Parts: sequence; C-alpha cells; structure tokens
Amino acid sequence: GENVEQHPSTLSVQEGDSAVIKCTYSDSASNYFPWYKQELGKRPQLIIDIRSNVGEKKDQRIAVTLNKTAKHFSLHITETQPEDSAVYFCAAYYGGSQGNLIFGKGTKLSVKP
Amino acid sequence: DVKVTQSSRYLVKRTGEKVFLECVQDMDHENMFWYRQDPGLGLRLIYFSYDVKMKEKGDIPEGYSVSREKKERFSLILESASTNQTSMYLCASSFWQGGTQYFGPGTRLLVL
Repeated sequence: GENVEQHPSTLSVQEGDSAVIKCTYSDSASNYFPWYKQELGKRPQLIIDIRSNVGEKKDQRIAVTLNKTAKHFSLHITETQPEDSAVYFCAAYYGGSQGNLIFGKGTKLSVKP
Repeated sequence: DVKVTQSSRYLVKRTGEKVFLECVQDMDHENMFWYRQDPGLGLRLIYFSYDVKMKEKGDIPEGYSVSREKKERFSLILESASTNQTSMYLCASSFWQGGTQYFGPGTRLLVL
C-alpha cells in the first residue's frame, strides 16, 4: 500500500545550523505534500506545504523541495533556533478525490543553544 | 481562525468500558478525521468522514467505530476499551480532501 518514509527519526543540531528532514513516497500520483510541526504537548500545525506542480517553496527560514522523479521531498530549516525544537511530520496525499494524507513517522528535532 | 476542540484532554477508563471521544469544528469543514498517535509510529488514521452520516475506514479501524450526525461533530467510539488502545487521539478537519488538516488538542486516553 501507500507509504511515506521519513528520515532521520531524531536530529540534533547547534543553534544557527541548518536542519534537513527527508521523506519518500510510493505513489507517483500523489500531488500534495504538507509538513506539520508538533511542539511538546501541543497539536500538530501546518508549517509549509507544496503541490506537485512546484519544485520548491520558501517561507522565511523554512523551505520545502520536491523531486517528483525520485518521489522524495525535503524540509530545510536554516539558522535554527531553540524554538524550532519539535517533532516534524511529513505527509503525502493519496487517492484522488477520495484520498487521504499518509503521514511519516516523524522526526524529533532538538536545537541546542 | 479554525477551531477544532476535543471533549477531554485526559481520560482514564477501565478495560471493557465504552468510551466516547468527541470532536467539534467551527469552520463548516466537510471532512473530519480521527488519528491515533503513538511514539515511533507517527499519526495513523482510524476513521474519516467526508459528509454527514458518512464514514470510511482508515488504516487501523479495528476496535473503533465513529458517528457523524452533524457536520460539525465527529465522535470516536471504543465499544469495549482494551489496554492496547491507550494512546493519544487526535481529531482533525479540512475544507476539502486534499487540503490542510487542522488538528484538535488531542485526548490522552489511559485504559487500565
């Protein structure tokens, strides 16, 4: 069945460094790829998303890239800050008009001051 | 702002009890979802609904049922709670199937 693989499961960086989280998906028909951030004890919240007709999207310090040929997409966070520490989930939309999001297992990002 | 609320933040139940988890959204969203979140397993879809009185199984529906009698309300039912259903339960809603999902705060359920 459809699957989204997310790596790494944990990531520790120094404040100011960049962080990259990668996801691969299995269905070439997937057309929507959101990223969610979940801070400790809080609900997941959308931070950025990309659709399949776009290769890259940026929003201040975060960016997402999509490689449809290789079926992978990545989240890039530059100039990391302690408040970036959270669990990040990628997801891919499957199934056309009756589809759903399939989530990766999450990456716990720790930014050390 | 989209607001998704869940009836309880924490719940403790006994094995065999019937458990109701309720989710309400105030943005007239067509789609509502119930997920289960466990460490290392991410978010797993239990059930979803694209319309009132409509429900579809997700990836892990066993042991659960749902009810959607009104557009704004989506209930998750554990007919006979078991200890392996101890988990964090997250509700979400979206305007359309491929759109942004907005999550509720979650209900942490402990089944003893």
